[in-house]
Amino acid sequence: DAKTTQPPSMDCAEGRAANLPCNHSTISGNEYVYWYRQIHSQGPQYIIHGLKNNETNEMASLIITEDRKSSTLILPHATLRDTAVYYCIVRVRRMEYGNKLVFGAGTILRVKS
Amino acid sequence: GAGVSQSPSNKVTEKGKDVELRCDPISGHTALYWYRQSLGQGLEFLIYFQGNSAPDKSGLPSDRFSAERTGGSVSTLTIQRTQQEDSAVYLCASSSGLAGGAGEQFFGPGTRLTVL
Repeated sequence: DAKTTQPPSMDCAEGRAANLPCNHSTISGNEYVYWYRQIHSQGPQYIIHGLKNNETNEMASLIITEDRKSSTLILPHATLRDTAVYYCIVRVRRMEYGNKLVFGAGTILRVKS
Repeated sequence: GAGVSQSPSNKVTEKGKDVELRCDPISGHTALYWYRQSLGQGLEFLIYFQGNSAPDKSGLPSDRFSAERTGGSVSTLTIQRTQQEDSAVYLCASSSGLAGGAGEQFFGPGTRLTVL
């Protein structure tokens, strides 16, 4: 699985958009970009994933560059409850049964009032 | 159930004792994973089950660690002769495995293991 690089921490004002970058310059054609987050003392939570097109769901948007070497997770209106560690993970998506997740250090997002 | 459940939520044990940690995955999920997170460390994969078999045990740190899954549902992670370095939060996750699914994993709340 391709390695990812994320900033160790970021701050965001409550109500503003939080833009979390991720570099994955060695990504291969069949690897997807997944985002998970871990709120303190909880298990990780799936947020969103994508291959090459931008994706949006009720939680966030995922913007993937045309060359697929980087992506940005966007939380459009961050709240205090979005304070968490955000993990960008690149891996092959298996149509059956999934695959283990390899977590890096992630980005600590602090949303401040 | 509505989500992945794990028990106990907290376990304190003495060095050298054996412990069993339980995971109940989301009903119908065929894939089950165990991870652990040591204090201040990232999440570390331990073992993956597909049904009752474990095709990937590559993350188990030593032969003191074992896991089983019965009936394609409940899984138990056993740590024998616990050591202080085994202290961590042990997380279980399950995945549906449905064709066309996102393959996302749903995590339980974890079991915090403290070895004195």
